[in-house]
Amino acid sequence: DVVVTQTPLSLSVSPGQPASISCKSSQSLLHTDGKTYFYWYIQRPGQSPQLLIYEVSNRFAGVPDRFSGSGSGTDFTLKISRVEAEDVGIYYCMQSIQLPVTFGQGTKVEIK
Amino acid sequence: EVQLVESGGGLVQPGWSLRLSCAASGFTFRSSWMHWVRQVPGKGLLWVSRINFDGSRIYYADSVKGRFTTSRDNAKNTLYLQMGSLRVEDTAIYYCASDLIPTFWGRGTLVTVSS
Repeated sequence: DVVVTQTPLSLSVSPGQPASISCKSSQSLLHTDGKTYFYWYIQRPGQSPQLLIYEVSNRFAGVPDRFSGSGSGTDFTLKISRVEAEDVGIYYCMQSIQLPVTFGQGTKVEIK
Repeated sequence: EVQLVESGGGLVQPGWSLRLSCAASGFTFRSSWMHWVRQVPGKGLLWVSRINFDGSRIYYADSVKGRFTTSRDNAKNTLYLQMGSLRVEDTAIYYCASDLIPTFWGRGTLVTVSS
């Protein structure tokens, strides 16, 4: 299985400050079709997960532009340029280049 | 608006069976891949199964292979997860999600396996 390792596991950020979460995969997520099968989700308290970023850097519909994804191969980063109260939750990265689909352990983001 | 509503969860004893349903609306269900993903309350996400649009291609996590069966009824816009030989470690919230990668998610249904 492709192992996806997230860091840090928790993050406390003041409103308006930036935040960054990293994920490393145990193998390259770049497919021969040219796509990289890497995604970011947020699970807000009491809610189900919501897709934030697909294929490394593409914001899903309605996702604010303060969220950005970057990376390639095996190393990826989610950045929040200015954290807001609604950004509180657990962030998961996910790979789907190979079954089983696997998720990172999750990063809990809270507001200071 | 895409809506996915899971049902069928509950408390069962180890070894029992349970069938979950996921009612879909707001998108073309018959053209969509679908997933089941589970989450032990307070823990991380674990992918369970994926099914293609017509049910001809179904994939499972090793932990459920041979015990769980995913199916769909496109006429009823419904996805199913038949769970058999349930174990305590299958206790989790079960989510259905739409598209080739999980895009839209339901609110989940809690399955508790306990004696």
